[in-house]
Amino acid sequence: SAVISQKPSRDICQRGTSLTIQCQVDSQVTMMFWYRQQPGQSLTLIATANQGSEATYESGFVIDKFPISRPNLTFSTLTVSNMSPEDSSIYLCSVIDRDTYEQYFGPGTRLTVT
Amino acid sequence: AQTVTQSQPEMSVQEAETVTLSCTYDTSENNYYLFWYKQPPSRQMILVIRQEAYKQQNATENRFSVNFQKAAKSFSLKISDSQLGDTAMYFCAFMKHRFGTGTRLTIIP
Repeated sequence: SAVISQKPSRDICQRGTSLTIQCQVDSQVTMMFWYRQQPGQSLTLIATANQGSEATYESGFVIDKFPISRPNLTFSTLTVSNMSPEDSSIYLCSVIDRDTYEQYFGPGTRLTVT
Repeated sequence: AQTVTQSQPEMSVQEAETVTLSCTYDTSENNYYLFWYKQPPSRQMILVIRQEAYKQQNATENRFSVNFQKAAKSFSLKISDSQLGDTAMYFCAFMKHRFGTGTRLTIIP
């Protein structure tokens, strides 16, 4: 199994600012993902973080708004840029074990934009 | 596009009873994975059970089992001998990128 940590666990930010969320995994993984979960809602995949290349974004999400870095096989960051109250959500990092295809989720970062 | 539908927003059962959560999906793919995840209140999402589409045998993990009907594109989760700790949101997922809207399950003492 993979153990995932995220920083910060929560934050309150002002409109127009940016926040970078960090995701650290305790083992090397090929596939890392970022999700958004709005309060009481399901998960929506934002993008796949690719090591050594640009992230692959899902429909409705763009790099200018959600830039992602993945410098190595255990770490990734997601930045929420130029935030608005609509960005208030829980952001989840996730990885997939390439052998078992089991997916693991981080504890999430609860973001509130005022 | 793949879609995942969970038609039961909320369910509640008495402790020790059996409960079945429904999930249907739509896809044109032949090989894929399906998952059930549990998200306890204010806690981390964890995998409950998964099913590979190419396997006819239904997956089982202790008290959790699935009824996978590939032709009907149905993937229900059965929880036997339910426990108070089973209280959580349950999400059905198709591969990594399509999650259902969830079923809030409450186990009543």
